[in-house]
Amino acid sequence: GAGVSQTPSNKVTEKGKYVELRCDPISGHTALYWYRQSLGQGPEFLIYFQGTGAADDSGLPNDRFFAVRPEGSVSTLKIQRTERGDSAVYLCASSLGPPGGVPTDTQYFGPGTRLTVL
Amino acid sequence: AQRVTQPEKLLSVFKGAPVELKCNYSYSGSPELFWYVQYSRQRLQLLLRHISRESIKGFTADLNKGETSFHLKKPFAQEEDSAMYYCALRGNYGQNFVFGPGTRLSVLP
Repeated sequence: GAGVSQTPSNKVTEKGKYVELRCDPISGHTALYWYRQSLGQGPEFLIYFQGTGAADDSGLPNDRFFAVRPEGSVSTLKIQRTERGDSAVYLCASSLGPPGGVPTDTQYFGPGTRLTVL
Repeated sequence: AQRVTQPEKLLSVFKGAPVELKCNYSYSGSPELFWYVQYSRQRLQLLLRHISRESIKGFTADLNKGETSFHLKKPFAQEEDSAMYYCALRGNYGQNFVFGPGTRLSVLP
C-alpha cells in the first residue's frame, strides 16, 4: 500500500519567507511525527500528534515553527520568517498507534522535504 | 537529559567479517532503544528494537544497562548491509525519540 508521502520533495526559499511543508500519513495511522535532519546529524524530534492534537511539541525550536493536523490525517509544518539555519531535511513519520504499544507504535517514515533557505 | 552517541561516523569491513556498530546512551530512567537503517535512496526504517529481542537480517542488539550501551552486531557482514545506521532512544513516558548522529557502514567485497 501507499506509504507516508511528503510534498514538496524540495523547497528553495529566501530568508524571511514563509513556507509550508505537507505530510500525508499512512491511512488509519493515528500518530504523526515531524523531525528535522541537518547535514551529518540524526533526525531531531520536533512535534508529535495523536489524532488532531499535538501531544508533544517540545522539540519545536521557537515560535516561528508551527504544525497542524486539523482532521487527524494530513499535517502541515509551517515555518515563518525562515532563516538560513532552518535549511535541513524535514521528515514526517506515522504509526498506527501511540508510543508504547508494540508493534503498533512502529514509525514509518516519509521521503522527506529538503528545505534550502538562501 | 536524553542523549545518544555513536562514536564512529564511518565503519568499513570486508564481506564475511563480523561487524559491531556502537551505541551509548544517557538517560536516568528505563529507556527503550531502537536501531534504524537507511539504505541508499530509501527511507529511514526500523531495523530492530530491544524490547522485541529479535534478530533481523542477521543483526542483533542487546541492551546493557550497566554500560548504557545498545551495540548492533552481525557475525558475517554482507554487501547489502551497507547503509546508514541510527541508534535511537525513547524515554519512560514513551513520547519523543532521540536519535544518534548515525554510523555509515560500508561492506567491501
